[in-house]
Amino acid sequence: DAKTTQPNSMESNEEEPVHLPCNHSTISGTDYIHWYRQLPSQGPEYVIHGLTSNVNNRMASLAIAEDRKSSTLILHRATLRDAAVYYCILRPSGGYQKVTFGTGTKLQVIP
Amino acid sequence: NAGVTQTPKFQVLKTGQSMTLQCAQDMNHEYMSWYRQDPGMGLRLIHYSVGAGITDQGEVPNGYNVSRSTTEDFPLRLLSAAPSQTSVYFCASSYVAGVDGYTFGSGTRLTVV
Repeated sequence: DAKTTQPNSMESNEEEPVHLPCNHSTISGTDYIHWYRQLPSQGPEYVIHGLTSNVNNRMASLAIAEDRKSSTLILHRATLRDAAVYYCILRPSGGYQKVTFGTGTKLQVIP
Repeated sequence: NAGVTQTPKFQVLKTGQSMTLQCAQDMNHEYMSWYRQDPGMGLRLIHYSVGAGITDQGEVPNGYNVSRSTTEDFPLRLLSAAPSQTSVYFCASSYVAGVDGYTFGSGTRLTVV
């Protein structure tokens, strides 16, 4: 199964943009890149996903490298509510999906 | 409200007891899975299912059983609880195609004494 690598922790000042990196050098052509976040004492929450092109939604933007071996989740203006653990995972399209989550990046937002 | 419902939210078991963690979804999702999360750790996959009657093992299946008799329900059974199974358990569901995100339940916090 393809793995992802993320920094253990990051800090950001409130109202500044945050760029959360993820490396996935063994990604296959059918793997979608997914991002989730987990607030304290809650279940993970879907944020965004993409295959090849950059993606935007109301929560964040996803920038995918041209060779797809890395991606970056972009929070345009960090708020205190964005303090969470962010997970980057690879999810195959269709078929059996033995998807695992790593330990993610713990984002601290400084007021 | 549509989503993934897990029961119970909290449970304390004695070593050797058995129990079933319930998971139900009302979104007609084919794919359902169970994860466990230990303190300070990520989520590890226990078992998953791609449809009624089809299940497979994840990373850490020992000590757990699952079955999928309906699309909506995916219960997780602990056969003989051990302190090492103290954890928070999350159920997740999605369409099999993988082009959408998982929806997670709010979790079951299990303590085995």
